Amino acid sequence: KAGVTQTPRYLIKTRGQQVTLSCSPISGHRSVSWYQQTPGQGLQFLFEYFSETQRNKGNFPGRFSGRQFSNSRSEMNVSTLELGDSALYLCASSVDPAKNIQYFGAGTRLSVL
Amino acid sequence: DQQVKQNSPSLSVQEGRISILNCDYTNSMFDYFLWYKKYPAEGPTFLISISSIKDKNEDGRFTVFLNKSAKHLSLHIVPSQPGDSAVYFCAASAIKGAQKLVFGQGTRLTINP
Repeated sequence: KAGVTQTPRYLIKTRGQQVTLSCSPISGHRSVSWYQQTPGQGLQFLFEYFSETQRNKGNFPGRFSGRQFSNSRSEMNVSTLELGDSALYLCASSVDPAKNIQYFGAGTRLSVL
Repeated sequence: DQQVKQNSPSLSVQEGRISILNCDYTNSMFDYFLWYKKYPAEGPTFLISISSIKDKNEDGRFTVFLNKSAKHLSLHIVPSQPGDSAVYFCAASAIKGAQKLVFGQGTRLTINP
């Protein structure tokens, strides 16, 4: 069974640009969550989607948005990039909300210059 | 406000001995706790979890202990192996909050031969 797949693995953008990251969950998993990892702030929750609906949202500005498609694949978009958006963006999928066990992809490393 | 804290940024243990990683939390609404292991350039890998109705959960070499009154949990690895060298993250969630995981800052475990 394939794991969580994130594309691309690496991205370099400049300030002011926008970026879209993609996540394909484990087959059968309907919940997809996104996290940002930085050296200073650690792993922080961005948002979670289930059946194409955003169910939870973390404390990030509106420049960070996402969506989920009918096949459970998810995309995350960051507009008007800032230097501080440089981070590892991780996607996780889950099949059992009651246990909250999430399985992570390898992440997308975004560098904003 | 750091709701989940791992106060030891690093830990060094001799191969074959016990590794004990600690985690404290402040939010009494948390009722499900997880440990993840992370290698460089990979996403976090789920290790073991525990519900707040239990005080111990064991899986092979890994045991997690939960002390609700002290809001403290620990991960024991016995015996420690060189492949256990990684960064370990403690995470917590409130089941009613669905898939939002709150992570600690991580502890880098090094197993010395």
